[in-house]
Amino acid sequence: NAGVTQTPKFQVLKTGQSMTLQCAQDMNHEYMSWYRQDPGMGLRLIHYSVGAGITDQGEVPNGYNVSRSTTEDFPLRLLSAAPSQTSVYFCASSYSRTGGYGYTFGSGTRLTVV
Amino acid sequence: SQQGEEDPQALSIQEGENATMNCSYKTSINNLQWYRQNSGRGLVHLILIRSNEREKHSGRLRVTLDTSKKSSSLLITASRAADTASYFCATDRGAGSYQLTFGKGTKLSVIP
Repeated sequence: NAGVTQTPKFQVLKTGQSMTLQCAQDMNHEYMSWYRQDPGMGLRLIHYSVGAGITDQGEVPNGYNVSRSTTEDFPLRLLSAAPSQTSVYFCASSYSRTGGYGYTFGSGTRLTVV
Repeated sequence: SQQGEEDPQALSIQEGENATMNCSYKTSINNLQWYRQNSGRGLVHLILIRSNEREKHSGRLRVTLDTSKKSSSLLITASRAADTASYFCATDRGAGSYQLTFGKGTKLSVIP
């Protein structure tokens, strides 16, 4: 089924650990992005990519790294997990890098940092 | 920073009634989008309205956009229990901003 696939669905980390959240899409979308969703805060953009090899920071990039070596994959790396990074993370993709199209979201990764 | 702000934060209605949610934003936009999120799930794109459009329909959904007031509304007609979800507006500023900025959402409960 075409769409955005995120793994894992749930993860518990200890403070200071690192990990990578995976995101893959099979729709040949140019644009991909990562959001975090916290209660009462809505969705906030972490990083985004307008194509393979091109990434940029969003509203809350600190503590996260991204890379985009292929059109399909856009992993999000937590360098040294902190309790403030406890959140639900969503990956989203869109057909065009220039906007004007709806986003397709993955089902999310629920991360708890203890 | 939040570009769109939904109002009300929560809405509870009876099945069959209409539900109206509003969204206000601060800067000029290229388009505005509405999304639905069921509890514990990802967001689902509902409808997109461009800055040069005033009204758009999709099934039981009707979206209006007033760029002079920087506001939009989402109307769900003849609501069903399955419409229970959170609804978010998101603004696309275009012009190479490459970002979709979301509001905090309206939580809709439709009581059977």
